[in-house]
Amino acid sequence: GAGVSQSPSNKVTEKGKDVELRCDPISGHTALYWYRQSLGQGLEFLIYFQGNSAPDKSGLPSDRFSAERTGGSVSTLTIQRTQQEDSAVYLCASSLGGSGGYEQYFGPGTRLTVT
Amino acid sequence: GENVEQHPSTLSVQEGDSAVIKCTYSDSASNYFPWYKQELGKRPQLIIDIRSNVGEKKDQRIAVTLNKTAKHFSLHITETQPEDSAVYFCAAENYGGSQGNLIFGKGTKLSVKP
Repeated sequence: GAGVSQSPSNKVTEKGKDVELRCDPISGHTALYWYRQSLGQGLEFLIYFQGNSAPDKSGLPSDRFSAERTGGSVSTLTIQRTQQEDSAVYLCASSLGGSGGYEQYFGPGTRLTVT
Repeated sequence: GENVEQHPSTLSVQEGDSAVIKCTYSDSASNYFPWYKQELGKRPQLIIDIRSNVGEKKDQRIAVTLNKTAKHFSLHITETQPEDSAVYFCAAENYGGSQGNLIFGKGTKLSVKP
């Protein structure tokens, strides 16, 4: 079946502009996660959605970052007034459940470059 | 909250040798510990995981051990092959806690020389 998809695959934007990154999880997966991976670095947790529960936003680095998940499926990560330090690969993952030790399936990522 | 430390950050071995990557975690309530492999330019993929009621788990050339008392877990790869070259991430989850999300280590870049 189809895996997790993300769009766009690459995004170049000017400093100060807003960007929207999209994630389509695997059908039937109730949990969705966003991570940020800077060049050669680890996976930084950003936000986690589980079903209809309030999202865990504890990893968002600033109030310029926000995310929503409509209809329990597609999610959009929005970065307002982008800064150069926002340049990274943004990875989305989904799993069958939230907490409970379920495998997370990752999307291919969106490479964001802020000039 | 949970903190996961991983070492070494880089590891180079000869083909056929074993490789060991170690992680420590801070939250004694954590009970799920997966390992992900990320090949260059690709997405991370789960290779093995272990839960807190088990001390060791094996899958062919890969094994993971868990010491809950010491709060550390390790990935062991035997008979390494060039295709094992990748970045490996450990992670911990407290799925009984308030977060319920994975906290990842910073990764280990493994190079297997033919």
